[in-house]
Amino acid sequence: AQSVTQLDSQVPVFEEAPVELRCNYSSSVSVYLFWYVQYPNQGLQLLLKYLSGSTLVKGINGFEAEFNKSQTSFHLRKPSVHISDTAEYFCANLGGFQKLVFGTGTRLLVSP
Amino acid sequence: DAGVIQSPRHEVTEMGQEVTLRCKPISGHNSLFWYRQTMMRGLELLIYFNNNVPIDDSGMPEDRFSAKMPNASFSTLKIQPSEPRDSAVYFCASSGGPNTGELFFGEGSRLTVL
Repeated sequence: AQSVTQLDSQVPVFEEAPVELRCNYSSSVSVYLFWYVQYPNQGLQLLLKYLSGSTLVKGINGFEAEFNKSQTSFHLRKPSVHISDTAEYFCANLGGFQKLVFGTGTRLLVSP
Repeated sequence: DAGVIQSPRHEVTEMGQEVTLRCKPISGHNSLFWYRQTMMRGLELLIYFNNNVPIDDSGMPEDRFSAKMPNASFSTLKIQPSEPRDSAVYFCASSGGPNTGELFFGEGSRLTVL
């Protein structure tokens, strides 16, 4: 079965510092990977996606992620975070029949 | 575009009562998903429809839960009878293409069953 693992439940970071949120996937078939963000009291919205092609994927709000097949990882990065980036971030993998399977989420806490 | 619209945003009810959650997907989208989010279990896919037809309902917890999509612009998720363990945020999401993985979520319906 396809699944994703988010290793950190919470990541505290100071404003303007870099951040990496980790995601590992397990799959024996084609891999489609996504990062979604959920701001407080809102639904999820797509940050970026990897379907094929370049392993470095750029998304909205200055985020990017790198698909690493040898390490089965799809870590999310931002070189300099803002207070407004405080949110929960979900890694997801697309399974059969459009079934998007989400990880457990990583709460990013940005403090001044 | 108004996005995915869910109602009610908040619902407080007593155990045993019927609950109906509603969703209007983005116009033109042909796939609709119902997710449930709790602290304990995270985000769970309950059911999804393609062209108004239920494709996968394996995530529906039990017979107390049912979902319908009578037309392309409306879906309901019903819980009857409701129980305290059903308390969660229920999200509806829609998608415009096959296997894109790009879902557009509504703001959710927060259900509290006392």
